Amino acid sequence: ETGVTQTPRHLVMGMTNKKSLKCEQHLGHNAMYWYKQSAKKPLELMFVYNFKEQTENNSVPSRFSPECPNSSHLFLHLHTLQPEDSALYLCASEGQGGFSTDTQYFGPGTRLTVL
Amino acid sequence: GQQVMQIPQYQHVQEGEDFTTYCNSSTTLSNIQWYKQRPGGHPVFLIQLVKSGEVKKQKRLTFQFGEAKKNSSLHITATQTTDVGTYFCAGRGGSYIPTFGRGTSLIVHP
Repeated sequence: ETGVTQTPRHLVMGMTNKKSLKCEQHLGHNAMYWYKQSAKKPLELMFVYNFKEQTENNSVPSRFSPECPNSSHLFLHLHTLQPEDSALYLCASEGQGGFSTDTQYFGPGTRLTVL
Repeated sequence: GQQVMQIPQYQHVQEGEDFTTYCNSSTTLSNIQWYKQRPGGHPVFLIQLVKSGEVKKQKRLTFQFGEAKKNSSLHITATQTTDVGTYFCAGRGGSYIPTFGRGTSLIVHP
């Protein structure tokens, strides 16, 4: 256990559905990240939140909508996804936010399948 | 933008053989971190290198940071089946946001 939890662990959804992924960290960290990990592709950075403010949006399609109500919680709202969005979605948190020596703590991920 | 290239993408070894993965950055890094992701798991932090020419060891794992702080390597001596997984490097340059390499998947044959 890294202190970062993600729910659900598995999700199957149709292209017209709306669902949300949740990430929660119990480490007192100030920065949280969403990554997408597809088979045979590197980790793709999606969004970064630092002290609840979004500091990075890596050209992510608008069908992915992040929300960070506080430093401990991060959501990824999904709507009208495409089959190519099927992937493992990883959440990570890091300590102080904005420091180059921070270590990333990853959650177990949500395995998303879009039918 | 900053790019971190990691090779090889896959490496098959017989148990007991050595293994090395390499990372090269297009820009000078302030530090580099290494992570391991077991099959079906998530990346887990292994180590961080900060100083030019730094070498760190963790049991059979040896990590090096190049003199120019643009490349790094992870070497595993006498691999075991427990070493199976994907090893990622992550470098930070001018931004505090890390850039991950593609990862090297290590397959160990008993």
